[in-house]
Amino acid sequence: AQKITQTQPGMFVQEKEAVTLDCTYDTSDQSYGLFWYKQPSSGEMIFLIYQGSYDEQNATEGRYSLNFQKARKSANLVISASQLGDSAMYFCAMRAYGGSQGNLIFGKGTKLSVKP
Amino acid sequence: ETGVTQSPTHLIKTRGQQVTLRCSSQSGHNTVSWYQQALGQGPQFIFQYYREEENGRGNFPPRFSGLQFPNYSSELNVNALELDDSALYLCASSRGLAGSSYEQYFGPGTRLTVT
Repeated sequence: AQKITQTQPGMFVQEKEAVTLDCTYDTSDQSYGLFWYKQPSSGEMIFLIYQGSYDEQNATEGRYSLNFQKARKSANLVISASQLGDSAMYFCAMRAYGGSQGNLIFGKGTKLSVKP
Repeated sequence: ETGVTQSPTHLIKTRGQQVTLRCSSQSGHNTVSWYQQALGQGPQFIFQYYREEENGRGNFPPRFSGLQFPNYSSELNVNALELDDSALYLCASSRGLAGSSYEQYFGPGTRLTVT
């Protein structure tokens, strides 16, 4: 069974500083993908970044980077130069490949609050 | 390219009633997944449709059912509503086969309240 654990229910960060949101995962699959989504109060899940299990380089997308440590089964999201608009819920998710079902397994999320 | 749309935005129903939620997938996407997100939780997978066939199901009872149409839009039907069905229902579409690396694009959700 696959599981995502996000141990930080809430985080505060000062505007313009960097912040790391933790995510650990558990799976017996060899091929999988890891995702981070942002969910503002409006409810829509916004895709931020993707890391494949066989990707050797850490993924980056603008101010977002994913610190992937496969042996430790962790996939932390780093947001650099935080902005007030980054205040939202952040969800880590994974999907195993190779099976017939391509659903995402989500963690419980981390609420990020950016202070001016 | 239009994104994923869902209707209605909000809905209030009474326990025991039935509800239908609708989702239009993003252009070019043939796979639709439905998720239930209870307050304070991450989304939970309900089921997925690929080319009009159910392609996988999470741990939800049979009173949760769905359809996918030839244009790849989809419906989620919930019968005999219970108070615990109150949640945000998210639809996500993706391009390609289930299990591929194609990312899922989410709609804005339908917030269902059961009283």
